[in-house]
Amino acid sequence: SAVISQKPSRDICQRGTSLTIQCQVDSQVTMMFWYRQQPGQSLTLIATANQGSEATYESGFVIDKFPISRPNLTFSTLTVSNMSPEDSSIYLCSVARGAGDGYTFGSGTRLTVV
Amino acid sequence: AQSVTQPDIHITVSEGASLELRCNYSYGATPYLFWYVQSPGQGLQLLLKYFSGDTLVQGIKGFEAEFKRSQSSFNLRKPSVHWSDAAEYFCAVGAADSWGKLQFGAGTQVVVTP
Repeated sequence: SAVISQKPSRDICQRGTSLTIQCQVDSQVTMMFWYRQQPGQSLTLIATANQGSEATYESGFVIDKFPISRPNLTFSTLTVSNMSPEDSSIYLCSVARGAGDGYTFGSGTRLTVV
Repeated sequence: AQSVTQPDIHITVSEGASLELRCNYSYGATPYLFWYVQSPGQGLQLLLKYFSGDTLVQGIKGFEAEFKRSQSSFNLRKPSVHWSDAAEYFCAVGAADSWGKLQFGAGTQVVVTP
C-alpha cells in the first residue's frame, strides 16, 4: 500500500489565520481525499482532490474555506482558511491507487485553533 | 445514499476473550466494505476490506470479518484480544459506482481489561 507523509502533524493556530496541510505520497495514486475528524467524532469527507482541476467538495464544505490543490499524482494540500475554534479537528489525507485497492490514510494533522 | 451504523459506541472486553464489533450498512448495490482501527493520537490503519468473492475476509492482527448480504452486515471478529487491541474501530462503506467516497460509521471504542 502507499506510504503517506502528512505535515504538519499538529499545530496550534490563532483564530483568523490560515494553515496549509501537505500530503505527499510515495507513489502515484489515482484518488486523493481530505477528511475531517472533529473531537470525539467519526470521519467526514471534505473533498476529493482532482489532479489538474478544481476539487470536488461535499455538502457543507466550500472552496473559500477549504481550498485544495493537487498539482500532480503524488501531492496535495488542504488549506483551512480564516480559522475559528470550531475548525479544531484532525485533518486526514487519504489515497487509493485504483478500484480494488484499499484506502490508505495519513497520520493526520491535529489542529487546535485558539 | 449509503450509510453505516455501528450500534455499539463502547465495548469492554477482557484480555484473551473474543471480540465482535457490529456494523450494518445501507446501500442499494454491492458495497465496498472496510474496517479501520485508530489508536490514540494515530491515523487510521486498514484492518481488512471486502470487495467481492469469499464473504469471510481475513485481515491483519488476527482480525476477520464476514459479509452477510441478507443482514446487510459486516461484523468484525477476533478470537482472542490483546491489550494492544484497545483502540477505536471504524466500519466504512464505499460505493462501486463512486468508490472514491467512504462513509464512516460513528466508531466503537474498545477497552481491554486485564
